[in-house]
Formats: sequence, C-alpha cells, structure tokens
Amino acid sequence: QVTLTESGPVLVKPTETLTLTCTVSGFSLTNAGLTVTWVRQPPGKALEWLAHVLSSDEKAYSTSLKTRLTISKDTSKSQVVLTMTNMDPVDTATYYCVRLVHGPFYYFMDVWGKGTTVTVSS
Amino acid sequence: QSVLTQPPSVSAAPGQKVTISCSGSSSNIGTNYVSWYQQLPGTAPKLLIYDNNKRPSGIPDRFSGSKSGTSATLGITGLQTGDEADYYCGTWDDSLTAGVFGTGTEVTV
Repeated sequence: QVTLTESGPVLVKPTETLTLTCTVSGFSLTNAGLTVTWVRQPPGKALEWLAHVLSSDEKAYSTSLKTRLTISKDTSKSQVVLTMTNMDPVDTATYYCVRLVHGPFYYFMDVWGKGTTVTVSS
Repeated sequence: QSVLTQPPSVSAAPGQKVTISCSGSSSNIGTNYVSWYQQLPGTAPKLLIYDNNKRPSGIPDRFSGSKSGTSATLGITGLQTGDEADYYCGTWDDSLTAGVFGTGTEVTV
C-alpha cells in the first residue's frame, strides 16, 4: 500500500522559513518514473503545483515561487523535504505531498497525502 | 495564476450528464496527456482520469475523459449526489517546465 505523510509546523511567522517533510512508503524514491511532488491549496482556492524532484535528482519549481523554494530527497529515509523561505500570510494553505507518475508526455499524481495545514501569522 | 481554464461551476439533476472543459495551450495540453482530479469537500484530491482517458482501478465508467487539440473534457454520466465536488485538470507545461492545474470546477447535483 502506497502512503505519503506530510509533517511540519502548523503555524509559522511572517518572514520565517517553512520546512515540510514527506515520508513515503510502498514505493522507492529511486524508481524511475515515480517520484514526489508538492501541491498546495489556499483556503477556498484552486490547487497550485509547487515542485518535484525526480529519481535522477532533477528538480523543477513553480515559476512564481522558484526563488523561495528548495526541494530535496533522502532516499535512505524515503523522505522528500520542501523548504519555502520568507513566508507570508498569503502562503497560508494546505500543503499536499503527492506521488507523481511521469514520463514522456505523461505527468499525473496518483496517490495523495492527507495534507498538512500551514497558517502564516504573527 | 492557473494556466488551464475551467468553468467555475456546472450543475445538473441526478441521473443527468455534465461535461467540464479544460482549456490550455500548445505547450501543455497540446503536447502532454491530461489528468483529472476529484476533490470531495474537506478531503484531499483523488485521481480520476490519467493519460487523457484512462481510469484508475476503482473509478466507475461514469467518468470519462477526452482531449482534442489544446482542450480536454471530463464527462460524468448518471450523476449522483456523491459526485458533488470540485474537479481539476492537470498536466505538464513544457514552456514553464512546471506542473499546471486548472482553475477548478464545482459540480452541483
């Protein structure tokens, strides 16, 4: 059974750095074609793709957030870590860790974590 | 901020059919496969359709997907009250080199 579990702070202050950890089970982060991506959803708003890291360690970031995001993986721990710097109240959202299936011309998210809600407030 | 455009809402009576459009461009839908996600109230999204028209195990055939050019469509037949949810399309954008989602559509039965 594939599971992804997000962990991190519930509350962060403006200007602080957010660090979220995704721990996966049921698949390996070394599998080509399978990896983890992060998606967030502000309250009442649409899904927003944030970043992914491939088994090759190739990374991709949201164009609008790339200066603030860093994604990394620790395959030995089956973990993917996302950091977002200079947090602002508009970054208040539910952050999802999601298994990504990817290849030539295909890119979809087949297993979602339950999400972790992060509030940015002083 | 969403690159893919969907209608904000659609509605129909129980048992009827709805379609949800997803409009993109040559760099995303025009090149890559489309997936669809269902988000029931208060829950995480769930994969509904992948590779334009394939259904994961456990997804009923009332849900279907298609793609033509730079647009994709999700169809839901035999609407049930349990289908009331938000639906999102998604794909990869070769120009942005980023994943992209649609603006989301609320389905009311």
